Amino acid sequence: DIQMTQSPSTLSASVGDRVTITCRASQSISSWLAWYQQKPGKAPNLLIYKASSLASGVPSRFSGSGSGTEFTLTISSLQPDDFATYYCQQYNNFSGTFGQGTKVEIK
Amino acid sequence: QVQLVQSGAEVKKPGASVKVSCKASGYTFSNYDISWVRQAPGQGLEWLGWISTYNGNTNYAQKLQGRVSMTTDSSTSTAYMELWSLTPDDTAVYYCARAPPFCTSVSCFFYYWGQGTLVTVSS
Repeated sequence: DIQMTQSPSTLSASVGDRVTITCRASQSISSWLAWYQQKPGKAPNLLIYKASSLASGVPSRFSGSGSGTEFTLTISSLQPDDFATYYCQQYNNFSGTFGQGTKVEIK
Repeated sequence: QVQLVQSGAEVKKPGASVKVSCKASGYTFSNYDISWVRQAPGQGLEWLGWISTYNGNTNYAQKLQGRVSMTTDSSTSTAYMELWSLTPDDTAVYYCARAPPFCTSVSCFFYYWGQGTLVTVSS
């Protein structure tokens, strides 16, 4: 299975901050990468797919970049509703490994 | 509208098996594959496997090979995930998930999710 490594595991930030989360794949996955936001007790919500495509209804402050093995999720100006846990997921060759998650906390 | 409705919570003893169902509605069942994901308490998301609702092909996470089976019943638009030889480490919320219509690649990300089924393994 392809391994996905996210960093950092926890991030403390303030409203208005620019936040970047990194995800690394153990082998090239081209651009087959998605990002999700999850809040406690809820199923994940799709933010980004194909590394940089914004899902419908997702605010434009979220953006994704990267290809191959290195990817980033950026929140340009952190809002109160953005405090949550974020996961990357590779979807390549009928598999779908997740990163271990990044919890974005209030500083 | 697309709905994935899962079966209710289960409590199992170590060594037992569990079968979770995921009933789809609001779309043509065979047009979209179903994947299963679990989340242990306070932990991250773990992809368990995928099943083609068209031909029944499957791909399971290596960690669960030999202990998991995913099946579908097209007559009821229902997908099933069965896990056996349960241990307390299998305690988790189990989700079924589906891709959106705008995913055109061979493998897809998830847009629609079931409500989750809590499986508790305890003696």
